[in-house]
Amino acid sequence: EDQVTQSPEALRLQEGESSSLNCSYTVSGLRGLFWYRQDPGKGPEFLFTLYSAGEEKEKERLKATLTKKESFLHITAPKPEDSATYLCAVQAGAGNNRKLIWGLGTSLAVNP
Amino acid sequence: ETGVTQTPRHLVMGMTNKKSLKCEQHLGHNAMYWYKQSAKKPLELMFVYNFKEQTENNSVPSRFSPECPNSSHLFLHLHTLQPEDSALYLCASSPVAGELFFGEGSRLTVL
Repeated sequence: EDQVTQSPEALRLQEGESSSLNCSYTVSGLRGLFWYRQDPGKGPEFLFTLYSAGEEKEKERLKATLTKKESFLHITAPKPEDSATYLCAVQAGAGNNRKLIWGLGTSLAVNP
Repeated sequence: ETGVTQTPRHLVMGMTNKKSLKCEQHLGHNAMYWYKQSAKKPLELMFVYNFKEQTENNSVPSRFSPECPNSSHLFLHLHTLQPEDSALYLCASSPVAGELFFGEGSRLTVL
């Protein structure tokens, strides 16, 4: 069964304390992996797309990486405004059977 | 206006009411989606429209009825809902599969 698992469920960091969030997946036919950020009471905001193992994308303090089994979202020297829930989604399958499978997210809190 | 706009932001309705959620996108995308977000559950796809045509109905109960009059507007008509339908309903548009641009959502409470 296709599955996306994010860990940890929740993470609390001090400002400036770097860390990583994990998204592991078991799907047939990976077509792409996507990271989103969601603030409380708002819709998710698209961050990155990764298509193949070894690929990396960066945006400000965030860097996303991809292997054949998992993706990491590295947060370098986080600030309180990075506090949010980070969602991972994997697109699997082909043609009319293509589907987007979502994880439950990691809730990140960065303390000043 | 830019992005994806959803109205109303909050809605409280009784089980016998009829209401509608509205979504408008100003991004020029041809694909539009309705998602349901509930606590402790992954995002749940409800409907997909491509070029105004419904291309996916993810086994959604008939008390939810979508309408897409053009590529910029999407509605979700609600009728005879159940308390378990209380959730955040998210509209999104997309230029490329998987890259979704979401609205801020409509928080629905069914009494």
